[in-house]
Amino acid sequence: DTEVTQTPKHLVMGMTNKKSLKCEQHMGHRAMYWYKQKAKKPPELMFVYSYEKLSINESVPSRFSPECPNSSLLNLHLHALQPEDSALYLCASSPLPYNEQFFGPGTRLTVL
Amino acid sequence: GIQVEQSPPDLILQEGANSTLRCNFSDSVNNLQWFHQNPWGQLINLFYIPSGTKQNGRLSATTVATERYSLLYISSSQTTDSGVYFCAPTGANNLFFGTGTRLTVIP
Repeated sequence: DTEVTQTPKHLVMGMTNKKSLKCEQHMGHRAMYWYKQKAKKPPELMFVYSYEKLSINESVPSRFSPECPNSSLLNLHLHALQPEDSALYLCASSPLPYNEQFFGPGTRLTVL
Repeated sequence: GIQVEQSPPDLILQEGANSTLRCNFSDSVNNLQWFHQNPWGQLINLFYIPSGTKQNGRLSATTVATERYSLLYISSSQTTDSGVYFCAPTGANNLFFGTGTRLTVIP
């Protein structure tokens, strides 16, 4: 298996909802990443997990809460989001931290 | 962080034409990736190229790390090449994305 999968593909949520995004890889990669991408902009790094430990949090608001239950799985828990949080959320993994990164197809999130 | 400039920002090509995309970066880097983002948002790895030249079919890339730039060559362009091309150097602890080149290939 040589891909990163993300679910769901699309998500619409209200500002009071709680939802989670899921990312999975079975390539034995030891680093996983969450990025946020707004329309017509490059991806922006949110979080880095290295050997299942959070190693970078790029000053992301606490309404985004990452979790890495095991080396293959990465979640992003969402709560009390704002409409400006609507974006494409991309997950990536790499064999080791800051090696070549491989991206999933993304979750397109709309916050109403 | 590393500043990354890509040029041109937009490019329109007739199918079959060749093109060169440029990426300049402000500091020394450990590695550099080129990606193609298709219209559905998927980022596709093109090259992982800290230095030197690599080729993959109609695409090739050259990175001159000492002069802090990388070039992506697309030959005999096809409509499926349309999308946004990102250059992303890797610094000490992060992947820094450029603003991208939006390529449109018309039949």
